[in-house]
Amino acid sequence: AQRVTQPEKLLSVFKGAPVELKCNYSYSGSPELFWYVQYSRQRLQLLLRHISRESIKGFTADLNKGETSFHLKKPFAQEEDSAMYYCALIQGAQKLVFGQGTRLTINP
Amino acid sequence: GAGVSQSPSNKVTEKGKDVELRCDPISGHTALYWYRQRLGQGLEFLIYFQGNSAPDKSGLPSDRFSAERTGESVSTLTIQRTQQEDSAVYLCASSPVGGFYNEQFFGPGTRLTVL
Repeated sequence: AQRVTQPEKLLSVFKGAPVELKCNYSYSGSPELFWYVQYSRQRLQLLLRHISRESIKGFTADLNKGETSFHLKKPFAQEEDSAMYYCALIQGAQKLVFGQGTRLTINP
Repeated sequence: GAGVSQSPSNKVTEKGKDVELRCDPISGHTALYWYRQRLGQGLEFLIYFQGNSAPDKSGLPSDRFSAERTGESVSTLTIQRTQQEDSAVYLCASSPVGGFYNEQFFGPGTRLTVL
């Protein structure tokens, strides 16, 4: 079955330190993966998608099919990065399968 | 323009009562999705509407759950005979075409508490 695993429920780093939020997936086909973010008191919103190979707010994510991972990285964390992050995978036509989320806290 | 809206924002009900949750998608978005998020868990897909096609109900957890959508507008999620395990945040999302790569735009959610 298709599954997205985010092994860390909580992650805390200091401002300026590198950040890596882990995401592993299981999927039988060719996956399409996303990172969604929810800032405090805001809606869940798309951060980035792997097919776009984009960098948003300094974050990047590389799909590693060999390791079935799609880790989210940022070289220098900022306080405004504190949020809940969800890794998600497209299943079939439209169903997004979400991981359980990682709450990232950036300490000053 | 306005984003996805949901009402009510909070709903407290007693076990056994029926509840109805509403979602107003972004105008012009043909695809609409309902998700559930239980405390400490990820988002769980419930149902998906795309235009006039038959909805994908594969995520509905039991026959107490049902959803309707009128054309490409408002959707309602109904939970009958609510149980305490139904307590969760119910999220609605819409996307413009329902194509494979389309971004989903989420509403603020309805927090349901079943006493």
